[in-house]
Amino acid sequence: AQSVAQPEDQVNVAEGNPLTVKCTYSVSGNPYLFWYVQYPNRGLQFLLKYITGDNLVKGSYGFEAEFNKSQTSFHLKKPSALVSDSALYFCAVRQLSSGSARQLTFGSGTQLTVLP
Amino acid sequence: ETGVTQTPRHLVMGMTNKKSLKCEQHLGHNAMYWYKQSAKKPLELMFVYNFKEQTENNSVPSRFSPECPNSSHLFLHLHTLQPEDSALYLCASSQEDGFYGYTFGSGTRLTVV
Repeated sequence: AQSVAQPEDQVNVAEGNPLTVKCTYSVSGNPYLFWYVQYPNRGLQFLLKYITGDNLVKGSYGFEAEFNKSQTSFHLKKPSALVSDSALYFCAVRQLSSGSARQLTFGSGTQLTVLP
Repeated sequence: ETGVTQTPRHLVMGMTNKKSLKCEQHLGHNAMYWYKQSAKKPLELMFVYNFKEQTENNSVPSRFSPECPNSSHLFLHLHTLQPEDSALYLCASSQEDGFYGYTFGSGTRLTVV
């Protein structure tokens, strides 16, 4: 079975500082990994994904994520946080191998608050 | 807009009412999903449809009844709901293999009174 853990319910960071939102995963075989962002009363919006290739993935709004196979992690990062980055962030995973369920498994979400 | 449209955006219904949520996508996706998002809880996958066939029902109470008449449309029929069913209901779609992840609609905020 596949699973995702986001160990922090809440992350606070000052505007202009770097931010990190943590995610670890568990799958059989190679993973597809995703980050989504959700603003209040909205659906989830795609930020970035890792399928294969370079371990550092760049996405929307200046976000990036680093895939670390040995640590089974896919942490979301941004060099300089903006107040407008304040939102709920979800990590998601699915297995790459054929025959597996196509469903994404989502983490429980991390509320990011950027303080002015 | 993401390409996945949900209507209505907000719905208030009594426990004896019958209502339906609608989801529509024109992205050429073959799989569609219903999720429930409650405050302080993880996303709950409710139903999965692939090529109009229901492939998953995660122990959802029968007061929720999905319908997928074609690959572009998905409905969630609601009847005799409970106050604890109040939540944000999200629809998503994807290619059959989920390679590019999901595209979500903006959701329907449901309040049961």
